[in-house]
Amino acid sequence: GQQLNQSPQSMFIQEGEDVSMNCTSSSIFNTWLWYKQDPGEGPVLLIALYKAGELTSNGRLTAQFGITRKDSFLNISASIPSDVGIYFCAGRTTGANSKLTFGKGITLSVRP
Amino acid sequence: DGGITQSPKYLFRKEGQNVTLSCEQNLNHDAMYWYRQDPGQGLRLIYYSQIVNDFQKGDIAEGYSVSREKKESFPLTVTSAQKNPTAFYLCASSIQRQETQYFGPGTRLLVL
Repeated sequence: GQQLNQSPQSMFIQEGEDVSMNCTSSSIFNTWLWYKQDPGEGPVLLIALYKAGELTSNGRLTAQFGITRKDSFLNISASIPSDVGIYFCAGRTTGANSKLTFGKGITLSVRP
Repeated sequence: DGGITQSPKYLFRKEGQNVTLSCEQNLNHDAMYWYRQDPGQGLRLIYYSQIVNDFQKGDIAEGYSVSREKKESFPLTVTSAQKNPTAFYLCASSIQRQETQYFGPGTRLLVL
């Protein structure tokens, strides 16, 4: 089945630093989504990407849809303590039976 | 406010007992989903429904059942056949099946 790879499982950064995380797949996707999950809460959509090469920003967050359509990355600039959480990527193929496939997530810790 | 609500926040199940998790949305979304999340894992699809009175099994449907009698509601029953029910359960909805999914706050199920 389709799999999305996110690594490493955990990242530790200093407040104020930038961080980049990526998501790769052996399959081609037509939609990439990035979600953030706070502890004990549901994931919240950060950015949605629908076109290869697309670069979209949401405040300090920037995400790009890879040109090969097999990867995407998320950048967080000038990190703050509330950036702590789990960041999931999700991808969808086309077709009537397409479904959303999730990566396992990256847990981000920000040291003050 | 429009959104997705899940109740209860925490649920305890005794051995051999069926329990039902509630999911309600007032977003007028056609499609609804149930996911299971285990520590360090991505989201695994249990069931989904594209329209009222219709639902399909996801990747891990065994031991679970659902109903979709109303557009707004998609309750999940964890049956006694589910031998490892302890997990965080997330409900999501989207305008249609192919569209971006939005998540509820989750229900944590614990076995006594």
